[in-house]
Amino acid sequence: NAGVTQTPKFQVLKTGQSMTLQCAQDMNHEYMSWYRQDPGMGLRLIHYSVGAGITDQGEVPNGYNVSRSTTEDFPLRLLSAAPSQTSVYFCASNLAAGLQETQYFGPGTRLLVL
Amino acid sequence: AQSVTQLGSHVSVSEGALVLLRCNYSSSVPPYLFWYVQYPNQGLQLLLKYTTGATLVKGINGFEAEFKKSETSFHLTKPSAHMSDAAEYFCAVSNTGNQFYFGTGTSLTVIP
Repeated sequence: NAGVTQTPKFQVLKTGQSMTLQCAQDMNHEYMSWYRQDPGMGLRLIHYSVGAGITDQGEVPNGYNVSRSTTEDFPLRLLSAAPSQTSVYFCASNLAAGLQETQYFGPGTRLLVL
Repeated sequence: AQSVTQLGSHVSVSEGALVLLRCNYSSSVPPYLFWYVQYPNQGLQLLLKYTTGATLVKGINGFEAEFKKSETSFHLTKPSAHMSDAAEYFCAVSNTGNQFYFGTGTSLTVIP
């Protein structure tokens, strides 16, 4: 199993540009989530999904959209990038939506918005 | 709302010394508690977790943590630090609402 994969590894955007961060998992996990990691702030939840067709907002959802059309994929869209969205983005998945479940993280995407 | 506090954003220990990383949580209901480790330029991986049962939890690489409800703490320890333990450590909590909450992280430096 490849686990959780993320593409691209690194991206530079100009303010106002749009892009999609890809996340895929091959473990048949129900629950998937997106976090951003900023210095001194730990990981903050952006959006999450408890199954295909179901998404919900986390702590910092503004400026981001998600969809979950398949169990495997959970893309994160930035419609109009802003410098405040410069961050490292992590996708994670766990087997079920139960809160005792272990989360498996992807390697991250480093995004720089100029 | 839940929160996680990790005391000390940077901790330095000598190789072979005790490692103690502190985590306190606020929760109105019994929580599930986790410690994750992040090595440079990598994603997070689970060290250990507390869900129910025994309050002393053993994890990978010789780490363990004890859930103390009266102190709302879940501190991470390792008796003898190794150079390979140098990393960033995150405490996390969950209980309701399908969400996990992470602390701000503690960077561990091991001095040879």
